[in-house]
Amino acid sequence: DARVTQTPRHKVTEMGQEVTMRCQPILGHNTVFWYRQTMMQGLELLAYFRNRAPLDDSGMPKDRFSAEMPDATLATLKIQPSEPRDSAVYFCASGSGGGELFFGEGSRLTVL
Amino acid sequence: AQSVTQPDIHITVSEGASLELRCNYSYGATPYLFWYVQSPGQGLQLLLKYFSGDTLVQGIKGFEAEFKRSQSSFNLRKPSVHWSDAAEYFCAVVGSGGGADGLTFGKGTHLIIQP
Repeated sequence: DARVTQTPRHKVTEMGQEVTMRCQPILGHNTVFWYRQTMMQGLELLAYFRNRAPLDDSGMPKDRFSAEMPDATLATLKIQPSEPRDSAVYFCASGSGGGELFFGEGSRLTVL
Repeated sequence: AQSVTQPDIHITVSEGASLELRCNYSYGATPYLFWYVQSPGQGLQLLLKYFSGDTLVQGIKGFEAEFKRSQSSFNLRKPSVHWSDAAEYFCAVVGSGGGADGLTFGKGTHLIIQP
């Protein structure tokens, strides 16, 4: 049963610490997306990749967020330094074109 | 730029009653439209999608949606809801260029089922 896998599922950290979230997309999918979900803003697109190349990261605060795909089986989202306003659920999703996306279960981040 | 509006933040429906969740989109060309469902603590699961053709599309769990271009709407319906349908529902749109730009989601509608 193919699915998107995200780690960690939960992370509690202190302000100023580095946070790295990882995503394993579904094998064969060529697009990977990072979304952030909060009560106030809903689902926001942070960044996305096609064939491992970053296409758009305009949704990310550039000074502290970075997204990479070191290989086809791993996507990372890093926050350095983290701030309390970064507390949210971060979702990774992958797709093979045509718009349909498959979501992971999310990484819930709490920054104290 | 594309956008999605879900006018209802919360909807309460009695178990066994019919359901309609509203979705309006804004997009300059032919959109691809989706409905996703999110249970607490879970990711989003695709319910159904519209790309082209028949404007009434069937999805999983007994859901259907109708695309109305004249009204820029893609409302989700179910004839009889079950308690397990309680969840957050998201409408989403993407350009028909192949989905390379990512889905734009509405704010979601929280569905509450009364016994």
